[in-house]
Amino acid sequence: GQQLNQSPQSMFIQEGEDVSMNCTSSSIFNTWLWYKQDPGEGPVLLIALYKAGELTSNGRLTAQFGITRKDSFLNISASIPSDVGIYFCAALNYGGSQGNLIFGKGTKLSVKP
Amino acid sequence: SQTIHQWPATLVQPVGSPLSLECTVEGTSNPNLYWYRQAAGKGLQLLFYSVGIGQISSEVPQNLSASRPQDRQFILSSKKLLLSDSGFYLCAWEKGQGRLYGYTFGSGTRLTVV
Repeated sequence: GQQLNQSPQSMFIQEGEDVSMNCTSSSIFNTWLWYKQDPGEGPVLLIALYKAGELTSNGRLTAQFGITRKDSFLNISASIPSDVGIYFCAALNYGGSQGNLIFGKGTKLSVKP
Repeated sequence: SQTIHQWPATLVQPVGSPLSLECTVEGTSNPNLYWYRQAAGKGLQLLFYSVGIGQISSEVPQNLSASRPQDRQFILSSKKLLLSDSGFYLCAWEKGQGRLYGYTFGSGTRLTVV
């Protein structure tokens, strides 16, 4: 079946550093999404990408939809302690059967003040 | 605006006891609804999804069942809990048609089976 390979699994960084994480797949998708999950909470949508090559920013976050439609990356600039959490990529295709939003296994981000 | 509610927030249940977790969505109609489970520090496992009242699809065989008695209500149940049912249960919804904006998740239920 379709799978998303998300890396890295975890990151330990210093406050102020930039962060980069990515998701790759052997399958093509029409939509890429990035979620953040704070401890003990449900994931919250950060950025949605709908077009190959699209680059979208949300504050200090920037995400891109890969030109091949098989990958996406998320960058966080100048990290702060509240960036701590688990980041999930997700992907799906229009017109597919419901329930086919596929998630990566997550990148756990820890930020040292 | 649309909101999603899950309860309870935390639950401790003995092995062999029944389970009922409830999820409701407000501010929309005919949503697609989903139940996910997340083991500690792990990713999201899709358990069930529903595209309408009484329509349930199961993704993995397990000790759990789901029901959708009303358009905006999704219930996760078990007749007899197992230790392995412990985890963080998340309900999510999305618009039933039109451009897909991804899923919106509830705040989750932390279930501990003892």
